Amino acid sequence: DIQMTQSPSSLSASVGDRVTITCQASQGITNYLNWYQQRPGAAPKLLIYDASNLEAGVPSRFSGSGSGTHFTFTITSLQPEDFAIYYCQQYHNLPFTFGPGTTVDIK
Amino acid sequence: EMQLLESGGGLVQPGGSLRLSCAASGFTFNTYAMAWVRQAPGKGLEWVSEISATGDKTHYADSVKGRFTISRDNSKSTMYLQMNSLRVEDTAVYYCAKYFFGVYAIFDLWGQGTLVTVSS
Repeated sequence: DIQMTQSPSSLSASVGDRVTITCQASQGITNYLNWYQQRPGAAPKLLIYDASNLEAGVPSRFSGSGSGTHFTFTITSLQPEDFAIYYCQQYHNLPFTFGPGTTVDIK
Repeated sequence: EMQLLESGGGLVQPGGSLRLSCAASGFTFNTYAMAWVRQAPGKGLEWVSEISATGDKTHYADSVKGRFTISRDNSKSTMYLQMNSLRVEDTAVYYCAKYFFGVYAIFDLWGQGTLVTVSS
């Protein structure tokens, strides 16, 4: 199975801050990498697919990059509604696997 | 509006069975692959199973293989997860999710989840 790791596991930030999360795959997954946001008590929501494509309706402050084994997710100017847990997910190989998540909370 | 609505969760004893349903609306259900993803309390996301648009291809996580069966009824726009021989470690919120397109596991629509609790 492909193992996904994320760093940091949590971070504290303020509204307006730039936030960067990294995701690493245990083997190459080309660009088969998605990012999801999960707010407390809610289902996950797709933000970025294929490493860098913004899902329709998602604000442009969210972005993603990377390929192979190393990926980056960025929020350019953190908004109050962005405090949540963020997960990466690979779909290069079955079983599809998620990273452990990064919690973004208020400083 | 596209929507997925899970049902069927509840409390069950270890070794018991449960069938989850996922009712879809607002899109052409029979043209999309679907999946179940679960989340144990306070934990991360775990892909459980997937089924092709026509229902002829299925895959499972090793943790549920041989115990869970995924199926769909395209005439009812509904997907199912039959869960047998349930274990305490199967306790989780179970989400159904729609594939963005084709066989690419980009989950662009999620249900609200249904809680399964396995406990004596």
